[in-house]
Amino acid sequence: NAGVTQTPKFQVLKTGQSMTLQCAQDMNHNSMYWYRQDPGMGLRLIYYSASEGTTDKGEVPNGYNVSRLNKREFSLRLESAAPSQTSVYFCAGQGGQTYGYTFGSGTRLTVV
Amino acid sequence: GDSVTQMEGPVTLSEEACLTINCTYTATGYPSLFWYVQYPGEGLQLLLKATKADDKGSNKGFEATYRKETTSFHLEKGSVQVSDSAVYFCALSDRNSGNTGKLIFGQGTTLQVKP
Repeated sequence: NAGVTQTPKFQVLKTGQSMTLQCAQDMNHNSMYWYRQDPGMGLRLIYYSASEGTTDKGEVPNGYNVSRLNKREFSLRLESAAPSQTSVYFCAGQGGQTYGYTFGSGTRLTVV
Repeated sequence: GDSVTQMEGPVTLSEEACLTINCTYTATGYPSLFWYVQYPGEGLQLLLKATKADDKGSNKGFEATYRKETTSFHLEKGSVQVSDSAVYFCALSDRNSGNTGKLIFGQGTTLQVKP
């Protein structure tokens, strides 16, 4: 089915470990986004990419890096995981300003 | 900057009751407005949208009208079901974000429908 695919769905890391969250979309969207969702905090934007080859910081970029590998893929990397990065991470794609996002199903990350 | 304010939850209703979840916004220009729904353990799904003043978005029995004069986009449903229990997010597109329509989300409102 067309949409946004995130991997992995669940992950447990130890403090200081690194990992990359993968996101791929097959909807030919130009813009892609990474959010984190925490209880009582709503959705907070980490990074976004308006088009292939460009990335920009969102509200909460510290501790993260991103790569827009091509039009389909937008990955999020945690170089040295901290317990404060325990969260649910969502990737989304968007086809244009009047279009909403299509979200992936999320990655539940726990850092111990 | 642009912002979205939703009524705080949780909202608890009995099945077949009427639902209104309030959403107001602050924006420069004319944003598009959206409602998203998140069922337990899942990602967010687009429920409905409106792209200009007086537009009404509708889907699955839910409706919302883009009211420019009151800067509101309240979500309504005439008769809720247990299966409507979820978190609902109001959002607007940030027209100041260059060539993206980066969305700004409200905090979300939890709806619980009891049989």
